[in-house]
Parts: sequence; structure tokens; C-alpha cells
Amino acid sequence: ETGVTQSPTHLIKTRGQQVTLRCSSQSGHNTVSWYQQALGQGPQFIFQYYREEENGRGNFPPRFSGLQFPNYSSELNVNALELDDSALYLCASSLAQGALRNTEAFFGQGTRLTVV
Amino acid sequence: KQEVTQIPAALSVPEGENLVLNCSFTDSAIYNLQWFRQDPGKGLTSLLLIQSSQREQTSGRLNASLDKSSGRSTLYIAASQPGDSATYLCAVIRRNAGNMLTFGGGTRLMVKP
Repeated sequence: ETGVTQSPTHLIKTRGQQVTLRCSSQSGHNTVSWYQQALGQGPQFIFQYYREEENGRGNFPPRFSGLQFPNYSSELNVNALELDDSALYLCASSLAQGALRNTEAFFGQGTRLTVV
Repeated sequence: KQEVTQIPAALSVPEGENLVLNCSFTDSAIYNLQWFRQDPGKGLTSLLLIQSSQREQTSGRLNASLDKSSGRSTLYIAASQPGDSATYLCAVIRRNAGNMLTFGGGTRLMVKP
């Protein structure tokens, strides 16, 4: 096990609703990243949080937003859900120290979101 | 823009065979390359991390190599077993892109008994 936990594991929402997904990072890690993985594809980067601030964002609309808390856990919020938001959402934690980027990313088990 | 490609997309082999999975990337300015395993509907399990200054990493029956100049990495699996059946993903961290991982589409491996 990686020590990265996500909740819930499965979720069904109706189009137009809002959803919050949660992630607890591995002990000692200060960076959390979120990824969206559609069926049969590789994960796509949504955004990353480092020390409670957004530190990079992929090609996702503003209705995808997030938070990182002082204990480095994180939330992903999606507003105005669309059918295409149905996917596996993955959280990854890692340790970044200044310019150091040669660190291993550890993933949680994911949250399967279905929008109907 | 970094693009990562994995070939083949799917592979079916008999148990015991040695096999090679390929990963190519367009931008050689990377910090590291990481190989993952993903079981159906599950999260990603990190297999090997190769830093940009390294050429290969080994863990058990797995060996991954990195050639930055040609933009290629290979994952070698020795003596494949049915339990190796999964999707294998490679991902790179590009310089000046934070800790963002750019993934390939994966290779779906099935090892038949």
C-alpha cells in the first residue's frame, strides 16, 4: 500500500450537480496532484498543490477546483457536472523540496465517478 | 508540449516469455521517468523510477532503461507470469513543469497460463 487514501471509492452523481473528492497524502509528502483517467486512456493532469497553493494546472475548465490543507490532504471539487466528467479520479502525493523534482509519485486507489 | 507514446497498446503472451514494453517521449528535457502498473479499475502502483542522470533501474524481474537522447524507455519483464497481467503505464516529469506527470496511453498485458 502507498499510504495515499482517497474517498469515496465510488460515486454516482446527476448532471449539473457538484462533487467533492478527498485525498490523504502519504506521510511526509507536501505535494498533491490530481489526475482524471477516462476508460482506456492514460491519466490526464488536472492540477497540483504545493504548500496549500495551486502549483500548476492542466487543460481543465475553472469548474474543476481544489484545496490543500495544512496537513497536506486535499480536495478536488467539480461544479456543474457533465456526462464527460465520468472517469476515475486519481490523487498522487510526492515530496518536492525547492527545485528538487526527482521524486517518486505515489497514487491512491482512485475514486470512480459516474455522472448520469 | 510533451507527448508520450506507448507501443504496443495491447500484448498477449504465454507464461514464461520475456517481454519488452516501449515508451517514447518527444521532449528529452525531463527530470525522471516512472513506470506504473494498473489493475482494472484500480489505482497506479509505482514499479520503477529512473532519474534523468540514470540509465536503468532494476527491481526483481523488472528492468527499465532510459535513453534521453533518443526519447525512449523500455520496461523488460523476465519470465512473465499470469499475475503480471495488467496495464503498464509510463510517465515523465518534464523540466519546468512542476511535478506534473505526463502519461502514455498504456500497454495492456495479458499473460496466459
